Amino acid sequence: TQLLKQSPQFLSIQEGENLTVYCNSSSVFSSLQWYRQEPGEGPVLLVTVVTGGEVKKLKRLTFQFGDARKDSSLHITAAQPGDTGLYLCAGAFTSGTYKYIFGTGTRLKVLA
Amino acid sequence: DTAVSQTPKYLVTQMGNDKSIKCEQNLGHDTMYWYKQDSKKFLKIMFSYNNKELIINETVPNRFSPKSPDKAHLNLHINSLELGDSAVYFCASSPGLAVGRQFFGPGTRLTVL
Repeated sequence: TQLLKQSPQFLSIQEGENLTVYCNSSSVFSSLQWYRQEPGEGPVLLVTVVTGGEVKKLKRLTFQFGDARKDSSLHITAAQPGDTGLYLCAGAFTSGTYKYIFGTGTRLKVLA
Repeated sequence: DTAVSQTPKYLVTQMGNDKSIKCEQNLGHDTMYWYKQDSKKFLKIMFSYNNKELIINETVPNRFSPKSPDKAHLNLHINSLELGDSAVYFCASSPGLAVGRQFFGPGTRLTVL
């Protein structure tokens, strides 16, 4: 069974700190997405990465796709309470048929 | 201007009942999905329709039956509800099947008593 494992599972930090969330798999993905989900709402797409080694920035968030397209990281600089939420990576790949799977999730809490 | 909408938002029902959840998207997307999110927040795909055709049908009890009357709608009907069906169900859509980025509805919290 293909699995996208995220680490850490939970993270509680103070406002202003930096953090990195990892998303790892043994599968090669044709594309990978990061989403943020807040309580009572659906996941909201943050970014899509497609090319191995690709780096994308979204304000204080930096996303990187691994060279082999099997892993990704999300780095947040100077975290703010508004960054609190569940962060999910998700990847698309073909294993006979098209598959799209979500990671195990990272719950981030940023304390003021 | 809701992109992906679901009704109802909350559904509380007794074991053994039959219920439906409706989903509509106004993004002009070709592909729609149903996901189940469990208490540990793990999102698992259940079904995917592309241009009204069933494309992905994961290992889901046949008590769950999706129906897509047109590209903009994907409904989920559940027969003989069980306690283990309690979860949050999300509808999503994407421009195409091979296009990874998906847009999610607000979710339907189903509680089976």
